[in-house]
Amino acid sequence: DAGVIQSPRHEVTEMGQEVTLRCKPISGHNSLFWYRQTMMRGLELLIYFNNNVPIDDSGMPEDRFSAKMPNASFSTLKIQPSEPRDSAVYFCASSSGTSVTTYQETQYFGPGTRLLVL
Amino acid sequence: GENVEQHPSTLSVQEGDSAVIKCTYSDSASNYFPWYKQELGKGPQLIIDIRSNVGEKKDQRIAVTLNKTAKHFSLHITETQPEDSAVYFCAATRNDMRFGAGTRLTVKP
Repeated sequence: DAGVIQSPRHEVTEMGQEVTLRCKPISGHNSLFWYRQTMMRGLELLIYFNNNVPIDDSGMPEDRFSAKMPNASFSTLKIQPSEPRDSAVYFCASSSGTSVTTYQETQYFGPGTRLLVL
Repeated sequence: GENVEQHPSTLSVQEGDSAVIKCTYSDSASNYFPWYKQELGKGPQLIIDIRSNVGEKKDQRIAVTLNKTAKHFSLHITETQPEDSAVYFCAATRNDMRFGAGTRLTVKP
């Protein structure tokens, strides 16, 4: 298995531009998570999908952030417009389990997208 | 919500020594406690986990202990090797997953 795949691995953009991060979860996993990692705030859960449906988006910072999961093998996290404070490493993770048990299942992380907003 | 505190933030040991990282949590209903290892430029990878109905779990050189009464759990690495150098994160989960701030472990050869 290729594991969780994220693209791009690195993204440099200017303030105000739209940024789209992409994730392909492990085949057969029905839960997908987007995290943000910064030195100041550590690892933060942004949003979690189960069976392609957003279950918990309470971690999404503000309306500039949006996430979609159009099918079981693809998800996007979009930032529009981007700001310098959005600079971070964004991880996607996937796991098995129902919407109730998923937090008790092992999460497999992708390699991350390192975003720099100038 | 859950609050997880992790100590120490940095830990340096000599190769062959043991390393211990401790985490405390606030939500007594938390029932799953994974530990992740993150190497430079990579995503976190699960190394061991423990559920609330178990007090201790071991996997070769790695062990985790859980004290539900005191609401703390610890990662123990014995016979450390240079390749154990990484950042280690604990987490506590029930209806969400909260991570500790991480411990940067350096194993000196």
